[in-house]
Amino acid sequence: QVQLQESGPGLMKPSETLFLTCAVSGYSISSGYHWGWIRQPPGKGLEWIGTIFYNGDTYYNPSLESRISISIDTSKNQFSLTLSSVTAADTAVYYCARSVIPATRINFASWGQGTLVTVSS
Amino acid sequence: QSALTQPPSASGSPGQSVTISCTGTSSDIGGYDYVSWYQQHPGKAPRLMIFAVSNRPSGVPGRFSASKSGNTASLTVSGLQAEDEADYYCSSFAGENNLLIFGGGTKLTVL
Repeated sequence: QVQLQESGPGLMKPSETLFLTCAVSGYSISSGYHWGWIRQPPGKGLEWIGTIFYNGDTYYNPSLESRISISIDTSKNQFSLTLSSVTAADTAVYYCARSVIPATRINFASWGQGTLVTVSS
Repeated sequence: QSALTQPPSASGSPGQSVTISCTGTSSDIGGYDYVSWYQQHPGKAPRLMIFAVSNRPSGVPGRFSASKSGNTASLTVSGLQAEDEADYYCSSFAGENNLLIFGGGTKLTVL
């Protein structure tokens, strides 16, 4: 049973760079599947951030593409999200997730519990 | 790329059926058979209920079914139960440039 756990700073100031990691247990990232980041501002809906394949191929939300980078570290069995120049609009619960089947990039069946990131001066 | 359109709320009594719609365009829902539905209880992570229009992942009850017609997708919950009360989000593939978009969510209330 795969498990995912996000970790991050919690509170940030505007213009800083957000770095989140998703630690994966119960499955080796290098074995396959797509891995994604999705966020949800408080009281609002879901927004897809980006997806990375186990081989390193990445797919980004065009509205965020200039500020984001997703990478994978097979030695630590984790993947990471970097979001630069954060503003209050980036305040959200950030989820990491695994695709429902290896080939799909856009359907996520296994999720972390989410981590709240608040951007405030 | 605009978000998909869902009604903000829906409701039904226990045992009844309720259908939630999700409207997009020919560039997303209408163009691909890659609509998904997620259930989210307060304070919890979303749960995938349906993928590729009408496929249920392992463990999802058969009371949940879905379909698509043109630019509109629908999720039907039959035999409503108290635990079905949650927010439901649709999502769709939107082409290689946009990849994945979500609806605004529908709050399902079991009366």
